[in-house]
Amino acid sequence: GDSVTQMEGPVTLSEEAFLTINCTYTATGYPSLFWYVQYPGEGLQLLLKATKADDKGSNKGFEATYRKETTSFHLEKGSVQVSDSAVYFCALSESGGNEKLTFGTGTRLTIIP
Amino acid sequence: DAGVIQSPRHEVTEMGQEVTLRCKPISGHDYLFWYRQTMMRGLELLIYFNNNVPIDDSGMPEDRFSAKMPNASFSTLKIQPSEPRDSAVYFCASSLMGQLNTEAFFGQGTRLTVV
Repeated sequence: GDSVTQMEGPVTLSEEAFLTINCTYTATGYPSLFWYVQYPGEGLQLLLKATKADDKGSNKGFEATYRKETTSFHLEKGSVQVSDSAVYFCALSESGGNEKLTFGTGTRLTIIP
Repeated sequence: DAGVIQSPRHEVTEMGQEVTLRCKPISGHDYLFWYRQTMMRGLELLIYFNNNVPIDDSGMPEDRFSAKMPNASFSTLKIQPSEPRDSAVYFCASSLMGQLNTEAFFGQGTRLTVV
């Protein structure tokens, strides 16, 4: 079955540091890939997505590139801010009209001033 | 649109009691999902509906859990009887099947504590 494996947390960085959160996936078809973010006390929000190989999703300074050859979708940001502190989830959805999302376990990110 | 609305936000109940969680999806969305989030198991998909019809309930942990969607604007997740291990945050999400792999919108969740 489908699965998503992401970097164990928690991750603590200083403000303006470079961020990478690793994500790899296993899927039988050609999935779309997502990063969701969960701020304290809230539900998940879509951060970015990519629907086919070599696509780059980007939003709020975050980027992730769909790498089919390595089955990866690593999340990066060049300079993090305290407001980026949250839990980040990598997810996939199989093509063919199946809307079901399969999530990774989440990575808690804390940015210190 | 107000987004996905869940109620209550917090629920504390005694073991053995019935618990009902409620969800109002975004108007016009045709998929509705129920997820459970715990520290140990992360986010688990419990069940999802398409056009009010349950499509996959393989994630429902046991017969104590049941979900209904009587119409396009309302769904419930019921636990009867509740147990302490059911304590978790339960999320409802909805999405629109307009194109492949569209975004799911999540509610703020219901934090359930069973004592």
